[in-house]
Amino acid sequence: AQTVTQSQPEMSVQEAETVTLSCTYDTSESDYYLFWYKQPPSRQMILVIRQEAYKQQNATENRFSVNFQKAAKSFSLKISDSQLGDAAMYFCAVTTGGGGSQGNLIFGKGTKLSVKP
Amino acid sequence: DTEVTQTPKHLVMGMTNKKSLKCEQHMGHRAMYWYKQKAKKPPELMFVYSYEKLSINESVPSRFSPECPNSSLLNLHLHALQPEDSALYLCASSPLTEGRETQYFGPGTRLLVL
Repeated sequence: AQTVTQSQPEMSVQEAETVTLSCTYDTSESDYYLFWYKQPPSRQMILVIRQEAYKQQNATENRFSVNFQKAAKSFSLKISDSQLGDAAMYFCAVTTGGGGSQGNLIFGKGTKLSVKP
Repeated sequence: DTEVTQTPKHLVMGMTNKKSLKCEQHMGHRAMYWYKQKAKKPPELMFVYSYEKLSINESVPSRFSPECPNSSLLNLHLHALQPEDSALYLCASSPLTEGRETQYFGPGTRLLVL
């Protein structure tokens, strides 16, 4: 079974500052993928960033980057130059791949990020 | 284009009503999903369709009936729902080839059962 733990129910950051959201996971699979999704008050679930477990290089997408520590099963999200539009609930998720599996997404409980002007 | 559309955006129904939720994608994805999300909780998987066939049913009550008429369309038929079924219903899709593990979500249908 796979599990995802987000230990920070809420976080706050000042506009233009940097914030890091934590995520740990557990899986017995060797082939898996990790994601951060953002869900603003509009409730649309938006893909922020993805990381393939077989890649050592940390994924980056503009102001968003991850720190993927495979041995520690840690997958944190760093948001640089925070903007008011970054305020949302952030979900960490893991899925397995390979073998034609459609990949059941397992979500953490989420971290609510507030951005202060 | 990574767009998944859902209609309606909002739905209010009585416990004796029959209604349907609709999800559509034109990205050529061959896997489609229904999730249920209660307030302040993560989404919970309900159903997965793979190549238009139901591949996962997460022990969902029979008052929820999914249907996949074609590879672009996914419906969720609702009948005799309970107030506790009020939630945000999210649809997602993913390719079954390159990048198959990445799910793209629609905006959701907010359902209220009275």
